[in-house]
Amino acid sequence: EAQVTQNPRYLITVTGKKLTVTCSQNMNHEYMSWYRQDPGLGLRQIYYSMNVEVTDKGDVPEGYKVSRKEKRNFPLILESPSPNQTSLYFCASSSKTSRMYNEQFFGPGTRLTVL
Amino acid sequence: GENVEQHPSTLSVQEGDSAVIKCTYSDSASNYFPWYKQELGKRPQLIIDIRSNVGEKKDQRIAVTLNKTAKHFSLHITETQPEDSAVYFCAASIRAAGNKLTFGGGTRVLVKP
Repeated sequence: EAQVTQNPRYLITVTGKKLTVTCSQNMNHEYMSWYRQDPGLGLRQIYYSMNVEVTDKGDVPEGYKVSRKEKRNFPLILESPSPNQTSLYFCASSSKTSRMYNEQFFGPGTRLTVL
Repeated sequence: GENVEQHPSTLSVQEGDSAVIKCTYSDSASNYFPWYKQELGKRPQLIIDIRSNVGEKKDQRIAVTLNKTAKHFSLHITETQPEDSAVYFCAASIRAAGNKLTFGGGTRVLVKP
């Protein structure tokens, strides 16, 4: 089954404790993104990657890091989480060559709470 | 960068009536405009999209219109049903920029039976 997976789905942590949210897709997609969703603000792009070893900042990159060492994986790293990073996070992937050129397939989401 | 504004933020309609959600964008280079539906507790899913070389697109009860001159696009849902209750997001992107989507703030639609 074609899908985007994220882990963990729920996480409660404390300020300053490094964490990683994993994202994996099995559709051989070139493009991958991370978004955060906050009430009234829609989905805001944190980082995106156009291929292996190619990443770039989105609209709200402060406090986050990413890496793209393999095509299928795109982990999101919070080196020193703060309460303002409490949010719902979505990973998404899309194909460069599909007919639905820019359709993004979203993962199930990770609800993060930073105390 | 691109800025997308979406109105209204909430919309309540009677079952069978129509619902209209409007979005404006700022970057005239944007050429791809998808709409996503997010049901409670679920992930966003694409329901319809339109490219800048098309003025209108329809898929059963949903349609999207695009006015490039005014830089606005709209989602129209006809004959609304309770299962249309969800949050809807519009977005804009420049196709050549890969998957850099800018989303509107979302519209919570409630269809009352």
